[in-house]
Amino acid sequence: DAKTTQPPSMDCAEGRAANLPCNHSTISGNEYVYWYRQIHSQGPQYIIHGLKNNETNEMASLIITEDRKSSTLILPHATLRDTAVYYCIVRPGGSKLTFGTGTQLKVEL
Amino acid sequence: EAEVAQSPRYKITEKSQAVAFWCDPISGHATLYWYRQILGQGPELLVQFQDESVVDDSQLPKDRFSAERLKGVDSTLKIQPAELGDSAMYLCASSPGTGGDLVLYNEQFFGPGTRLTVL
Repeated sequence: DAKTTQPPSMDCAEGRAANLPCNHSTISGNEYVYWYRQIHSQGPQYIIHGLKNNETNEMASLIITEDRKSSTLILPHATLRDTAVYYCIVRPGGSKLTFGTGTQLKVEL
Repeated sequence: EAEVAQSPRYKITEKSQAVAFWCDPISGHATLYWYRQILGQGPELLVQFQDESVVDDSQLPKDRFSAERLKGVDSTLKIQPAELGDSAMYLCASSPGTGGDLVLYNEQFFGPGTRLTVL
């Protein structure tokens, strides 16, 4: 059973915010929400993670709903280099990563 | 910036041949992972090492795949014999994997992968 649900693809104009949704309605209390991305022909890259509170780092912001059943990854000013597959993963801390098929984000001029 | 190294980057082989992939994790990282990624899918964990010990190899097809990390540093993944269905990207990742707060998030750093084509 899939733990997360993501749209298969999204488009975003360069310079605009990219908002990538993820549903995880069966998340457990000890599970974190992680985001990784994979640029074509490269290995996945860690972006951000969170448990309950919203998080921000130099790459992105993570907004988790109060009931923790969904989250949104925000790239505030998307560039062409942000074109990639974005994976939302829920897991207990320290456990293995289980990737789904992710969201293919295409940033266009 | 420290990176995970993998070689070769590309490998073409014929079915029934043996192939081997090498991974050098970030220095000091205790945990090493091998993933397989079939085109259009997300990576799938094959094997996880903690130092030189296997922690999880439940998804490793042990009849043809083997992995080792003899000195707890670099690692080799071998396939013998290769089959057409083994064509995929093989990714190596490492993480600090030690106790304390690092266990909570255990960020994994991935290498560039080895693209295997079996003809």
